Amino acid sequence: ETVLTQSPVTLSLSPGERATLSCRASQNVDSRYLAWYQHKLGQAPRLLIYGASSRASGIPDRFSGSGSGTDFTLTITRLEPEDFAVYYCQHLGPFGQGTKVEI
Amino acid sequence: QVQVVQSGADVKKPGSSVKVSCKASGGTFNSYDISWVRQAPGQGLEWMGGIIPMFGLTNYAQKFRGRVVITLDESASTAYMELTSLTSQDTAVYYCATATIPEAGGALDVWGQGTLVTASS
Repeated sequence: ETVLTQSPVTLSLSPGERATLSCRASQNVDSRYLAWYQHKLGQAPRLLIYGASSRASGIPDRFSGSGSGTDFTLTITRLEPEDFAVYYCQHLGPFGQGTKVEI
Repeated sequence: QVQVVQSGADVKKPGSSVKVSCKASGGTFNSYDISWVRQAPGQGLEWMGGIIPMFGLTNYAQKFRGRVVITLDESASTAYMELTSLTSQDTAVYYCATATIPEAGGALDVWGQGTLVTASS
């Protein structure tokens, strides 16, 4: 079973700044099955990115995904107040441990 | 667009079992893979397992094998997750989620509202 390790655990930023989140797999993975989710307290998780780089329907273009092999990145170009949340990567089931983006 | 609605909160005694349901509306589960994910207090998302209706196959995370069973009643468009031998560590919000985007490699785009299961004496 592939283990996904996300870094950093916490990212402290201000609105308008750029956020770069990392997801590293313990072995090469097929990027077609790499997804990113946003999760806010009291809500269901929300799919942001699938196939490592494709935005899900309704996701603003300030969210982008990239990467292949073992290293993947989620970038939020200009943080909006509603973007402060926990972000998870996932590959064929298992999730990473999450990165909390906080003010 | 399919939506999923889960059963309500439940309180169980340690050692007992819980069965959570997830009903599709505006569509059926027949073509969509279904996963169950949980979040314990203060913890991250944890994938428990899933079912592929097209092939009738189930797949469980190693941690839960032997303790979880995921089933699907296609006629009722309802999926179930049963977890046995509950301990306090199983207190969590349980989500069902489904993958409706054909080209998305199983990414979970439709989520239920979550079901709080509390295991306490």
